[in-house]
Amino acid sequence: ELKVEQNPLFLSMQEGKNYTIYCNYSTTSDRLYWYRQDPGKSLESLFVLLSNGAVKQEGRLMASLDTKARLSTLHITAAVHDLSATYFCAVGRGYGGATNKLIFGTGTLLAVQP
Amino acid sequence: EAGVTQSPTHLIKTRGQQATLRCSPISGHTSVYWYQQALGLGLQFLLWYDEGEERNRGNFPPRFSGRQFPNYSSELNVNALELEDSALYLCASSWGRAGVMNTEAFFGQGTRLTVV
Repeated sequence: ELKVEQNPLFLSMQEGKNYTIYCNYSTTSDRLYWYRQDPGKSLESLFVLLSNGAVKQEGRLMASLDTKARLSTLHITAAVHDLSATYFCAVGRGYGGATNKLIFGTGTLLAVQP
Repeated sequence: EAGVTQSPTHLIKTRGQQATLRCSPISGHTSVYWYQQALGLGLQFLLWYDEGEERNRGNFPPRFSGRQFPNYSSELNVNALELEDSALYLCASSWGRAGVMNTEAFFGQGTRLTVV
């Protein structure tokens, strides 16, 4: 059974600091997704990583994927308060070539303090 | 282009009643997924529908069921509601099995179900 683990579960950061969220998964997959969720809101897609060594960046966030290590990281550079949210990684289990099931990590609650 | 839409936004039911939640996927998407986000339990996969058929099911009792209509919209039905069914139910859509290039799933705003 595919399991997805994130750490840390809670991250309190000061503005301007850097930090990394880790996502480990237990079985082979070639699709890794990062989502952001604000309190009471739905999930916003941040990154889709589809191959080993994939790196994507958007603003202060950068995601990478190492399929051999079954590890993805979400790196936050010079955090700002607007980044405060819960971040989820999810691993796709394909069927017939398309995403049919996403297994989510536990989520990391990020709180950026002024 | 409209995103994934869910209705109602909030739903309050009494224990033992039935709840029906609705989801309209993004135009062109044939796959619909349902997830439950209960407090403290994270996002749990419920159901996957593709081209009108149930393709996969999470570890939930049979009183959680649903269907997908010819226009690819979907309903989630929860029978014999229990207090622990209170959660945010999220629907997502993506290209179905035929879609290889775009495998991203987009989520709706969710239905907050409260069982009292």
